[in-house]
Amino acid sequence: DAKTTQPTSMDCAEGRAANLPCNHSTISGNEYVYWYRQIHSQGPQYIIHGLKNNETNEMASLIITEDRKSSTLILPHATLRDTAVYYCIVRARNFGNEKLTFGTGTRLTIIP
Amino acid sequence: DAGITQSPRHKVTETGTPVTLRCHQTENHRYMYWYRQDPGHGLRLIHYSYGVKDTDKGEVSDGYSVSRSKTEDFLLTLESATSSQTSVYFCAISSSGGVSTDTQYFGPGTRLTVL
Repeated sequence: DAKTTQPTSMDCAEGRAANLPCNHSTISGNEYVYWYRQIHSQGPQYIIHGLKNNETNEMASLIITEDRKSSTLILPHATLRDTAVYYCIVRARNFGNEKLTFGTGTRLTIIP
Repeated sequence: DAGITQSPRHKVTETGTPVTLRCHQTENHRYMYWYRQDPGHGLRLIHYSYGVKDTDKGEVSDGYSVSRSKTEDFLLTLESATSSQTSVYFCAISSSGGVSTDTQYFGPGTRLTVL
């Protein structure tokens, strides 16, 4: 699985859009970009994933650059409950061995 | 939220004792996973299962064994617990049913302390 690079920490004002970047310059053609988050002491929570098209769901939007070497997770209207560690994960869909490789993620703090 | 429970949620045990953690799902998902989370390491895969009685090792499997006798339950056993196995353990499930549904959902975790 390709390696990802994320900033260690970020702050965002409550009500504003939180934009979390992720670099994955060695991504290969069959690898997807997944985002999870982990709120303190809880299990990781799936947010969104995509291959090459931008994706949106009820939680967030995922913008993947045309060359697929980087992506941005957007939380459109951040709330205090969005304070968490956000993980960007790149992996291939390899049936039979679907482990997720979590790095250290970005610690997002929403400021009141 | 996916129907995943873990038991116990907290456990304190002594070095050398056996410990079994249980993961139970109500989603009928084929794949189940055990991860551990330690400061500075993120989550690391211990073992996973791709069906009843079908299991395989992850990246940190030494000192752990698993069993899956039915779809809904995945057990993680520490045969002889050591202090280095003090950690938070997470179970996850996935259906692997298709491109848009292939995600892992995590349980609430078990905090294990080995004294």
